Amino acid sequence: QKEVEQDPGPLSVPEGAIVSLNCTYSNSAFQYFMWYRQYSRKGPELLMYTYSSGNKEDGRFTAQVDKSSKYISLFIRDSQPSDSATYLCAMGGNTGNQFYFGTGTSLTVIP
Amino acid sequence: GAGVSQSPRYKVAKRGQDVALRCDPISGHVSLFWYQQALGQGPEFLTYFQNEAQLDKSGLPSDRFFAERPEGSVSTLKIQRTQQEDSAVYLCASSLYAQNYGYTFGSGTRLTVV
Repeated sequence: QKEVEQDPGPLSVPEGAIVSLNCTYSNSAFQYFMWYRQYSRKGPELLMYTYSSGNKEDGRFTAQVDKSSKYISLFIRDSQPSDSATYLCAMGGNTGNQFYFGTGTSLTVIP
Repeated sequence: GAGVSQSPRYKVAKRGQDVALRCDPISGHVSLFWYQQALGQGPEFLTYFQNEAQLDKSGLPSDRFFAERPEGSVSTLKIQRTQQEDSAVYLCASSLYAQNYGYTFGSGTRLTVV
């Protein structure tokens, strides 16, 4: 079983839709949770960073962490064609220095 | 510089050839990471440096992989006797802090072994 599971999609939505992206994980020691956006042939770009449980909002993006269910989500409101990319969840614990990434979900926002 | 810079952007190597991939982190960043991203997969950890010290190399897949950061800034990932399964994008990332905060990735080096 992989440390982090993420549905690869692809996901296709009309412009203006609300997008929900999710990851599950198995390691209860994870405390740091991140969402990265990766455009084709580019490196991942950090979108959201959350420590422990709870919600965090930044503009059109909301990240949620439910540690009891080992489940994290990223919501994108009023999606735009420029949001079309692969979204990667990543997480890590207090020990060690690596982050564990999901496989990424490919999102296309259709104008 | 403004971001993490990696070179070359693309590298084609014949099987058995040695390659060296370079990473220039953001100036002053303490932490430096190398990740390997296979096609259609998420990045997988290779190794971590704090300044010039390689504190974690648990992700290096074999002894053909070697990384260094001798002066605590530029890092080089070397792969000896490349094999087809080494074909991937190699991503470098750096962070200002020596802790588990989100870090900044470079655009990667796409290695193709033929």
